[in-house]
Amino acid sequence: SQQGEEDPQALSIQEGENATMNCSYKTSINNLQWYRQNSGRGLVHLILIRSNEREKHSGRLRVTLDTSKKSSSLLITASRAADTASYFCAPIGRGGANSKLTFGKGITLSVRP
Amino acid sequence: KAGVTQTPRYLIKTRGQQVTLSCSPISGHRSVSWYQQTPGQGLQFLFEYFSETQRNKGNFPGRFSGRQFSNSRSEMNVSTLELGDSALYLCASSYAGGSDEQFFGPGTRLTVL
Repeated sequence: SQQGEEDPQALSIQEGENATMNCSYKTSINNLQWYRQNSGRGLVHLILIRSNEREKHSGRLRVTLDTSKKSSSLLITASRAADTASYFCAPIGRGGANSKLTFGKGITLSVRP
Repeated sequence: KAGVTQTPRYLIKTRGQQVTLSCSPISGHRSVSWYQQTPGQGLQFLFEYFSETQRNKGNFPGRFSGRQFSNSRSEMNVSTLELGDSALYLCASSYAGGSDEQFFGPGTRLTVL
């Protein structure tokens, strides 16, 4: 399994601005998933992008994947105070049933009202 | 569909005691994974159970164990508790594990005194 490395570690923006978060990984993947965690709670799955996809949208979320650079970005447009949370990426390898989610330290996003 | 449930939500124990945490996955999901989250170490994978068999294991001592029942419900046990075991314990379920999207429960907050 491999762990994603999120960047930056912390991000503070004004409500209405866009937030861009990055994730890098080391080996080839089957897919890459992004999760959100509100303080002290369980993680919520946001989006899954497969290795043969370059971009995916879900509401105000846009995820890109560049397998040549082994990196992904999560863009949240028109941010809201409710987007304040920690965000994690999880690159999933090609181990089939033996694959598992491994998380990095995450990105702490603060959206100021 | 009901989400992933974890019981209890909060637990206080003393060093040396043992504890059992329970996780009920989403109906139809056969994979249950457990994670430990602490401020210092972040989110760490403990183990995954699929169809009553441990399929993946993280790097934790033998004091941490688990099992899965025929209805896919899972329990995690920690024996001889140490102060460092204080953490948020999260379980996640998915249909088949591996590279599937994971659905997380709200977690059990364990405090060891």
